[in-house]
Amino acid sequence: EPEVTQTPSHQVTQMGQEVILRCVPISNHLYFYWYRQILGQKVEFLVSFYNNEISEKSEIFDDQFSVERPDGSNFTLKIRSTKLEDSAMYFCATFDGGSPLHFGNGTRLTVT
Amino acid sequence: SQQGEEDPQALSIQEGENATMNCSYKTSINNLQWYRQNSGRGLVHLILIRSNEREKHSGRLRVTLDTSKKSSSLLITASRAADTASYFCATGETSGSRLTFGEGTQLTVNP
Repeated sequence: EPEVTQTPSHQVTQMGQEVILRCVPISNHLYFYWYRQILGQKVEFLVSFYNNEISEKSEIFDDQFSVERPDGSNFTLKIRSTKLEDSAMYFCATFDGGSPLHFGNGTRLTVT
Repeated sequence: SQQGEEDPQALSIQEGENATMNCSYKTSINNLQWYRQNSGRGLVHLILIRSNEREKHSGRLRVTLDTSKKSSSLLITASRAADTASYFCATGETSGSRLTFGEGTQLTVNP
């Protein structure tokens, strides 16, 4: 079965540094999402992306965050200046408009 | 209650027993989905039920949806130790819209 692939699986960064989390969607999927899960808490929606633009974002997705699809395949989440509270699992999900969302295995971001 | 709130928060049973987890939500929905998460891993989609459906089966899983009570239940029959995981419900207001996840139920199946 096709998979959503996320890299890296674990990223450690210092507070204030920029990080880019990468996702390779399933090839015929056109809708892309980022979710995050702080340790021990529920999964929270960050942003959805369709047709090369953000279609919806949550209150968590502030100016520190950005998404893009730079080369038509990868879908990236950038955090410009990381804070301690950005430490979480970040999940990419993709959707073809019909079947349920497919989630990747996540990137564990640790900000020290 | 928050959107997509599960109960119980934790459930411990013996192998072979049935496990029932409940989810309540607040807003109108297009669909409700159940996901499984093994510790520190990704989310695995289990089953989707649409707002016009009342019950759905998939293998050992049975999901019910009561839109009048804004609640859903997930039943896992004949549980196995490998079913040990966290189970989350998630609601979508339209197809493809953001999913709102619940707090999850941590299920432990003892061999």
